[in-house]
Amino acid sequence: QQQVRQSSQSLTVWEGETAILNCSYENSAFDYFPWYQQFPGEGPALLIAIRSVSDKKEDGRFTIFFNKREKNLSLHIKDSQPGDSATYFCAASPGTGGYKVVFGSGTRLLVSP
Amino acid sequence: EAAVTQSPRNKVAVTGGKVTLSCNQTNNHNNMYWYRQDTGHGLRLIHYSYGAGSTEKGDIPDGYKASRPSQENFSLILELATPSQTSVYFCASGEGSNSDYTFGSGTRLLVI
Repeated sequence: QQQVRQSSQSLTVWEGETAILNCSYENSAFDYFPWYQQFPGEGPALLIAIRSVSDKKEDGRFTIFFNKREKNLSLHIKDSQPGDSATYFCAASPGTGGYKVVFGSGTRLLVSP
Repeated sequence: EAAVTQSPRNKVAVTGGKVTLSCNQTNNHNNMYWYRQDTGHGLRLIHYSYGAGSTEKGDIPDGYKASRPSQENFSLILELATPSQTSVYFCASGEGSNSDYTFGSGTRLLVI
Protein backbone atom coordinates (compact mmCIF):
# COMPACT_ATOMS: atom_id res chain seq x y z
CA GLN A 1 0.00 0.00 0.00
CA GLN A 2 1.52 3.25 -1.13
CA GLN A 3 0.80 6.00 1.38
CA VAL A 4 2.26 8.75 -0.79
CA ARG A 5 1.65 8.44 -4.51
CA GLN A 6 3.17 10.44 -7.31
CA SER A 7 1.04 10.09 -10.37
CA SER A 8 3.78 10.36 -12.98
CA GLN A 9 7.02 8.43 -13.11
CA SER A 10 8.35 10.89 -15.64
CA LEU A 11 7.47 14.25 -17.12
CA THR A 12 8.93 16.20 -20.02
CA VAL A 13 8.37 19.92 -20.55
CA TRP A 14 9.92 22.56 -22.76
CA GLU A 15 12.17 25.23 -21.37
CA GLY A 16 10.07 28.16 -20.16
CA GLU A 17 6.94 26.10 -19.49
CA THR A 18 5.44 25.41 -16.08
CA ALA A 19 6.04 21.87 -14.91
CA ILE A 20 3.36 20.43 -12.64
CA LEU A 21 4.17 17.42 -10.49
CA ASN A 22 1.29 15.79 -8.67
CA CYS A 23 1.17 13.93 -5.40
CA SER A 24 -1.57 12.38 -3.27
CA TYR A 25 -1.60 10.78 0.14
CA GLU A 26 -3.82 8.53 2.22
CA ASN A 27 -3.03 9.17 5.86
CA SER A 28 -5.08 12.03 7.33
CA ALA A 29 -2.50 12.33 10.11
CA PHE A 30 0.09 13.65 7.67
CA ASP A 31 0.76 17.25 8.51
CA TYR A 32 4.01 18.21 6.83
CA PHE A 33 4.84 17.79 3.15
CA PRO A 34 8.40 18.39 1.94
CA TRP A 35 9.52 18.04 -1.64
CA TYR A 36 13.03 16.82 -2.33
CA GLN A 37 15.04 17.34 -5.50
CA GLN A 38 17.62 14.78 -6.59
CA PHE A 39 20.20 15.15 -9.34
CA PRO A 40 21.91 12.05 -10.82
CA GLY A 41 24.69 10.75 -8.60
CA GLU A 42 23.61 12.85 -5.63
CA GLY A 43 21.41 12.44 -2.61
CA PRO A 44 17.99 14.11 -2.40
CA ALA A 45 17.98 17.67 -1.11
CA LEU A 46 15.09 19.55 0.47
CA LEU A 47 13.55 21.94 -2.05
CA ILE A 48 10.40 23.34 -0.47
CA ALA A 49 7.86 22.23 2.13
CA ILE A 50 4.34 23.04 3.29
CA ARG A 51 2.27 22.39 6.39
CA SER A 52 -1.34 21.32 6.13
CA VAL A 53 -2.60 24.59 7.64
CA SER A 54 -1.55 26.33 4.42
CA ASP A 55 -2.87 25.89 0.91
CA LYS A 56 0.06 27.47 -0.89
CA LYS A 57 3.77 27.88 -0.38
CA GLU A 58 5.96 29.81 -2.77
CA ASP A 59 9.73 30.02 -3.04
CA GLY A 60 10.99 31.72 -6.18
CA ARG A 61 9.94 29.66 -9.18
CA PHE A 62 8.70 26.79 -7.01
CA THR A 63 5.16 26.70 -5.60
CA ILE A 64 3.30 24.02 -3.70
CA PHE A 65 -0.48 23.96 -3.97
CA PHE A 66 -2.12 21.92 -1.23
CA ASN A 67 -5.68 20.58 -0.99
CA LYS A 68 -6.35 19.03 2.40
CA ARG A 69 -9.88 17.95 1.60
CA GLU A 70 -8.79 16.07 -1.51
CA LYS A 71 -5.54 14.86 0.09
CA ASN A 72 -3.44 15.99 -2.79
CA LEU A 73 -0.77 18.51 -3.55
CA SER A 74 1.24 19.63 -6.52
CA LEU A 75 4.60 21.20 -7.13
CA HIS A 76 4.63 23.87 -9.84
CA ILE A 77 7.94 24.87 -11.37
CA LYS A 78 7.46 28.11 -13.25
CA ASP A 79 9.67 29.04 -16.21
CA SER A 80 11.33 25.60 -16.18
CA GLN A 81 15.03 25.51 -16.97
CA PRO A 82 17.19 22.60 -18.19
CA GLY A 83 18.95 22.79 -14.82
CA ASP A 84 15.66 21.80 -13.17
CA SER A 85 15.92 18.37 -14.78
CA ALA A 86 16.01 16.04 -11.81
CA THR A 87 13.92 13.56 -9.86
CA TYR A 88 11.42 15.10 -7.46
CA PHE A 89 10.17 13.25 -4.41
CA CYS A 90 6.99 14.16 -2.62
CA ALA A 91 7.11 13.21 1.05
CA ALA A 92 4.80 13.37 4.04
CA SER A 93 5.00 13.05 7.79
CA PRO A 94 2.82 13.62 10.82
CA GLY A 95 5.03 16.58 11.64
CA THR A 96 6.37 15.07 14.80
CA GLY A 97 8.72 12.16 14.95
CA GLY A 98 10.99 12.59 11.98
CA TYR A 99 11.34 8.89 11.36
CA LYS A 100 7.82 8.66 10.04
CA VAL A 101 8.55 10.49 6.82
CA VAL A 102 7.09 8.57 3.90
CA PHE A 103 8.42 9.20 0.40
CA GLY A 104 6.66 8.85 -2.90
CA SER A 105 8.35 6.93 -5.69
CA GLY A 106 9.52 10.08 -7.43
CA THR A 107 8.88 11.90 -10.71
CA ARG A 108 11.74 12.29 -13.13
CA LEU A 109 11.49 15.70 -14.78
CA LEU A 110 13.21 16.47 -18.04
CA VAL A 111 13.26 20.05 -19.26
CA SER A 112 14.10 20.21 -22.94
CA PRO A 113 15.81 23.33 -24.31
CA GLU B 1 29.57 23.24 6.61
CA ALA B 2 27.23 20.65 8.08
CA ALA B 3 27.19 17.51 6.01
CA VAL B 4 26.45 13.81 5.74
CA THR B 5 29.32 11.77 4.33
CA GLN B 6 28.98 8.19 3.17
CA SER B 7 31.68 5.67 2.42
CA PRO B 8 32.43 3.93 0.21
CA ARG B 9 30.83 5.60 -2.83
CA ASN B 10 30.87 2.34 -4.73
CA LYS B 11 31.17 -1.22 -3.55
CA VAL B 12 31.20 -4.61 -5.23
CA ALA B 13 30.56 -7.54 -2.89
CA VAL B 14 30.24 -11.27 -3.36
CA THR B 15 27.13 -13.17 -2.40
CA GLY B 16 27.38 -14.36 1.20
CA GLY B 17 30.00 -11.82 2.13
CA LYS B 18 29.75 -9.18 4.82
CA VAL B 19 29.32 -5.55 3.81
CA THR B 20 29.49 -2.47 6.01
CA LEU B 21 28.33 0.91 4.79
CA SER B 22 29.42 3.88 6.84
CA CYS B 23 27.86 7.27 7.43
CA ASN B 24 29.17 10.30 9.29
CA GLN B 25 27.26 13.51 10.01
CA THR B 26 28.45 16.86 11.28
CA ASN B 27 24.94 18.31 11.71
CA ASN B 28 24.75 17.30 15.38
CA HIS B 29 21.37 15.74 14.61
CA ASN B 30 20.02 13.11 16.95
CA ASN B 31 18.20 11.16 14.24
CA MET B 32 19.87 9.22 11.49
CA TYR B 33 18.39 7.01 8.78
CA TRP B 34 19.34 4.44 6.19
CA TYR B 35 17.34 4.21 2.96
CA ARG B 36 17.69 2.21 -0.19
CA GLN B 37 16.63 3.57 -3.54
CA ASP B 38 15.44 1.35 -6.35
CA THR B 39 13.71 2.27 -9.58
CA GLY B 40 9.97 2.30 -9.10
CA HIS B 41 10.18 2.13 -5.32
CA GLY B 42 11.55 5.50 -4.40
CA LEU B 43 13.21 5.68 -0.99
CA ARG B 44 12.52 2.88 1.47
CA LEU B 45 13.53 3.09 5.12
CA ILE B 46 15.73 0.25 6.37
CA HIS B 47 16.86 1.31 9.86
CA TYR B 48 16.97 4.50 11.83
CA SER B 49 18.36 5.79 15.10
CA TYR B 50 17.38 8.36 17.71
CA GLY B 51 20.87 8.73 19.09
CA ALA B 52 24.05 6.97 20.10
CA GLY B 53 23.38 3.38 21.09
CA SER B 54 19.87 3.29 19.58
CA THR B 55 18.74 1.51 16.44
CA GLU B 56 15.19 0.90 15.24
CA LYS B 57 13.76 -1.16 12.41
CA GLY B 58 12.30 0.69 9.48
CA ASP B 59 9.97 -0.65 6.81
CA ILE B 60 12.35 -3.15 5.17
CA PRO B 61 14.88 -4.28 7.84
CA ASP B 62 15.23 -7.93 6.84
CA GLY B 63 18.80 -8.83 5.93
CA TYR B 64 20.23 -5.65 7.45
CA LYS B 65 21.63 -4.60 10.79
CA ALA B 66 22.52 -1.13 11.98
CA SER B 67 24.95 0.29 14.48
CA ARG B 68 25.10 3.78 16.04
CA PRO B 69 28.24 3.91 18.14
CA SER B 70 28.26 7.70 18.43
CA GLN B 71 26.20 10.80 17.62
CA GLU B 72 28.14 11.24 14.39
CA ASN B 73 28.34 7.71 13.01
CA PHE B 74 25.71 5.29 11.78
CA SER B 75 26.57 2.07 9.94
CA LEU B 76 24.51 -0.33 7.89
CA ILE B 77 25.65 -3.94 7.98
CA LEU B 78 24.80 -6.71 5.55
CA GLU B 79 25.99 -9.89 7.29
CA LEU B 80 25.27 -12.16 4.33
CA ALA B 81 24.93 -10.07 1.20
CA THR B 82 22.54 -11.25 -1.51
CA PRO B 83 22.08 -10.02 -5.12
CA SER B 84 18.65 -8.63 -4.12
CA GLN B 85 20.51 -6.11 -1.96
CA THR B 86 22.09 -4.55 -5.03
CA SER B 87 20.90 -0.97 -4.77
CA VAL B 88 21.85 2.60 -3.98
CA TYR B 89 21.93 3.30 -0.25
CA PHE B 90 21.42 6.71 1.28
CA CYS B 91 22.12 7.87 4.78
CA ALA B 92 20.35 10.91 6.17
CA SER B 93 20.24 12.91 9.36
CA GLY B 94 17.35 14.93 10.71
CA GLU B 95 15.99 16.70 13.74
CA GLY B 96 12.74 18.01 15.14
CA SER B 97 9.20 18.05 13.90
CA ASN B 98 9.93 19.51 10.48
CA SER B 99 11.33 16.20 9.30
CA ASP B 100 13.81 17.94 7.02
CA TYR B 101 16.57 15.54 6.19
CA THR B 102 20.11 16.06 5.02
CA PHE B 103 21.15 13.21 2.77
CA GLY B 104 24.56 11.87 1.91
CA SER B 105 25.63 11.31 -1.69
CA GLY B 106 24.85 7.61 -1.59
CA THR B 107 26.68 4.29 -1.83
CA ARG B 108 26.15 2.20 -4.94
CA LEU B 109 26.33 -1.46 -3.94
CA LEU B 110 26.56 -4.33 -6.40
CA VAL B 111 26.31 -7.85 -5.02
CA ILE B 112 27.48 -10.51 -7.47
